[in-house]
Amino acid sequence: DQQVKQNSPSLSVQEGRISILNCDYTNSMFDYFLWYKKYPAEGPTFLISISSIKDKNEDGRFTVFLNKSAKHLSLHIVPSQPGDSAVYFCAASKGYSTLTFGKGTMLLVSP
Amino acid sequence: KAGVTQTPRYLIKTRGQQVTLSCSPISGHRSVSWYQQTPGQGLQFLFEYFSETQRNKGNFPGRFSGRQFSNSRSEMNVSTLELGDSALYLCASSLDWGRVEKLFFGSGTQLSVL
Repeated sequence: DQQVKQNSPSLSVQEGRISILNCDYTNSMFDYFLWYKKYPAEGPTFLISISSIKDKNEDGRFTVFLNKSAKHLSLHIVPSQPGDSAVYFCAASKGYSTLTFGKGTMLLVSP
Repeated sequence: KAGVTQTPRYLIKTRGQQVTLSCSPISGHRSVSWYQQTPGQGLQFLFEYFSETQRNKGNFPGRFSGRQFSNSRSEMNVSTLELGDSALYLCASSLDWGRVEKLFFGSGTQLSVL
């Protein structure tokens, strides 16, 4: 049972435009959500997170939105840059314990 | 500060063999977690160690085991390898147990089972 779902395996966006990556979860006990970015041959690196008490968190070009009623979160990247091309993983945790990851979305930003 | 170091980087084994993977956490980090990444399942949690004790365990068969040493270095072992064990095994470290917001990942060990 996939508790964290990223239904889009890939996304292509032009440089300068907005990238929107989506994530759905089924476990209502999750209270902390994170996004990781992964380049080939490297480990995932932390990008941005959001606690369930918030509905938005912003860090530079990256913004994460949380809709608890819909059990949905999204990552917005504005403006997108070619260096953002990577696999993005959505992850969730309950009580800051272990992470449950989605399967990832490969983002390709073309010049 | 050196990052999380995983060795070896690549490994090729045959079915039925066993394998041991090593992880050295960031200096000062006392918690080590292991994850398996496959194309079909994404990243799945294996186990977490803190102070040489397993604190959490994912839903994997008993063929997957691990341990942590007094210097916080960790090893994971997979016995009686199966084709489906082919995956990227990622280690992550954090200062304390249960600090998912401060996890730092290594580059992983790519295991191929033939």
